[in-house]
Amino acid sequence: GENVEQHPSTLSVQEGDSAVIKCTYSDSASNYFPWYKQELGKRPQLIIDIRSNVGEKKDQRIAVTLNKTAKHFSLHITETQPEDSAVYFCAASGHSNYQLIWGAGTKLIIKP
Amino acid sequence: GAGVSQTPSNKVTEKGKYVELRCDPISGHTALYWYRQSLGQGPEFLIYFQGTGAADDSGLPNDRFFAVRPEGSVSTLKIQRTERGDSAVYLCASAGAGDEQFFGPGTRLTVL
Repeated sequence: GENVEQHPSTLSVQEGDSAVIKCTYSDSASNYFPWYKQELGKRPQLIIDIRSNVGEKKDQRIAVTLNKTAKHFSLHITETQPEDSAVYFCAASGHSNYQLIWGAGTKLIIKP
Repeated sequence: GAGVSQTPSNKVTEKGKYVELRCDPISGHTALYWYRQSLGQGPEFLIYFQGTGAADDSGLPNDRFFAVRPEGSVSTLKIQRTERGDSAVYLCASAGAGDEQFFGPGTRLTVL
């Protein structure tokens, strides 16, 4: 079955700098890759997603890139702000788009 | 309209007891998911409903876990003979026509 690995587990960046979180997946049949943000004690919320027929997608300060050949995808946050501090999870679709296999999460800390 | 709601928000029970966790999805969403999230981990898929039927229950850890969605809306996750290892936050999510899953606030289950 699908396996998703996420790195780093913790990332600390200076406010205004960029942050990059990377994930790898094992199942070449996976075709949907969402990223969720979870603030402490709150529910996960979708921030961006990408499908396997697209290499890059951008939404304001957030972008996601996908390399199908290497089976990895990355989240890029530019001009980081204090409110970006949270745990970020990547996920990949399992044997159907309805089943998501999640990474272990990255705790992003924005230093003022 | 209202988002996904879950009750109770917290449940403390003793080892060996039976518990029921309830999820109210967004009105009109046909897809409903149950996940389990342990501290410092990503959500772990348990079961997925499309309408009234369990389309994928491959994530249920053993036969002590069971979920129903009799009218295609509210779902109940049932855990028999609870064990300390069942302690976690149980998240419910629903989805409409798209792939985005909207999460509820979760139920924190503690088994003493």
